Amino acid sequence: EVQLVESGGGLVQPGRSLRLSCAASGFTFDDYAMHWVRQAPGKGLEWVSGISWNSGSIGYADSVKGRFTISRDNAKNSLYLQMNSLRAEDTALYYCAKEERVYDAAFDIWGQGTMVTVSS
Amino acid sequence: QSVLTQPPSVSGAPGQRVTISCTGSSSNIGAGYDVHWYQQLPGTAPKLLIYGNSNRPSGVPDRFSGSKSGTSASLAITGLQAEDEADYYCQSYDSSLSGSAVFGGGTKLTVL
Repeated sequence: EVQLVESGGGLVQPGRSLRLSCAASGFTFDDYAMHWVRQAPGKGLEWVSGISWNSGSIGYADSVKGRFTISRDNAKNSLYLQMNSLRAEDTALYYCAKEERVYDAAFDIWGQGTMVTVSS
Repeated sequence: QSVLTQPPSVSGAPGQRVTISCTGSSSNIGAGYDVHWYQQLPGTAPKLLIYGNSNRPSGVPDRFSGSKSGTSASLAITGLQAEDEADYYCQSYDSSLSGSAVFGGGTKLTVL
């Protein structure tokens, strides 16, 4: 079964750091670009960051540029998001998503999400 | 303010047809980037509904269809059913944002 499972969320104080992980299974992880998408409570989807299959191409939303770092370990079938200098507005459910070339770069597989709450 | 603009809400009675618009600009939809649509049922992760403007992944009913013209795209749902009540999001890419992915603000579909 193709699956993405996020972990690492929690309650963190403003200015602190958190590292999210996404474990992939059921597909050849190193064949695909991967993304992080977040959803603030009661709000819409916001793309956060994406990384190509070999980490050669990386992008960030302006709202997180300079504070968040995306990475992957293909040997461990895992995607990561290092989040530094966290702000209240980073509070959201964070999803990892698989980009499918056959589907014209749409996100065809999503995890269940991990919740990040930034509050003092 | 989302890069792609969707109506906040639409509604329709069972059996009816509804459409959801997604308006972009010359740097995203108008630049030729494909538009994808996602359905998010309450309390669940988004699910890919339409890819490449008008294609349905396996398992998506043909009641759902997509189209694109110029700087806009649309999602149409025919034969509306109660289980279609959900949030719907369009997604594309934007050249002014270094090819980053962008989402619409989402549309809440209510089945009356």
